[in-house]
Amino acid sequence: AQSVSQHNHHVILSEAASLELGCNYSYGGTVNLFWYVQYPGQHLQLLLKYFSGDPLVKGIKGFEAEFIKSKFSFNLRKPSVQWSDTAEYFCAVSPYSGYSTLTFGKGTMLLVSP
Amino acid sequence: NAGVTQTPKFQVLKTGQSMTLQCAQDMNHEYMSWYRQDPGMGLRLIHYSVGAGITDQGEVPNGYNVSRSTTEDFPLRLLSAAPSQTSVYFCASRTTSGNTGELFFGEGSRLTVL
Repeated sequence: AQSVSQHNHHVILSEAASLELGCNYSYGGTVNLFWYVQYPGQHLQLLLKYFSGDPLVKGIKGFEAEFIKSKFSFNLRKPSVQWSDTAEYFCAVSPYSGYSTLTFGKGTMLLVSP
Repeated sequence: NAGVTQTPKFQVLKTGQSMTLQCAQDMNHEYMSWYRQDPGMGLRLIHYSVGAGITDQGEVPNGYNVSRSTTEDFPLRLLSAAPSQTSVYFCASRTTSGNTGELFFGEGSRLTVL
């Protein structure tokens, strides 16, 4: 079975600081990778996803992530965070199949101070 | 476009009571699933279904039952609620066509068991 590890449980940044959230997964085969975001009081929304091809994927709101297969990593980055990026971020992995389940990491709570 | 609809949004139960969380989607998705979200634990898969008449257990199935009589609906039943089932529950769905792994989430149902 697959598993996901997120490096930081809480991150505090000032506006305009750069962001990198770590994510490592464990699975022996081909995977799909995702980052979801949950704003306070809301449900999860997709930020970006990687299925195949270019390992650098761009998502909404200026976020991007890089898939490094040799390191089993899929780190999320943003050059300059805003107060509105305050949210919880979840990395998720599923095996490469339309019928596979999605496994989430424990999440990273990002607090951006104005 | 309603997407994934969950009811109720909030519920308080006493230990031993039963209830059903409803989930409906209007996207003709074959795959539906239930997750529970607890602080510091991320989202954990309870049950999932890849089509009408087909269900399977996820990571934390104990204390929960599901059925899938139609493509649209995937109710989650708690037969005898326990305080450990206090959580926020999310229903999510996606297509199984090709390799599309993106999950679409409902707004969540917050359950408190006293």
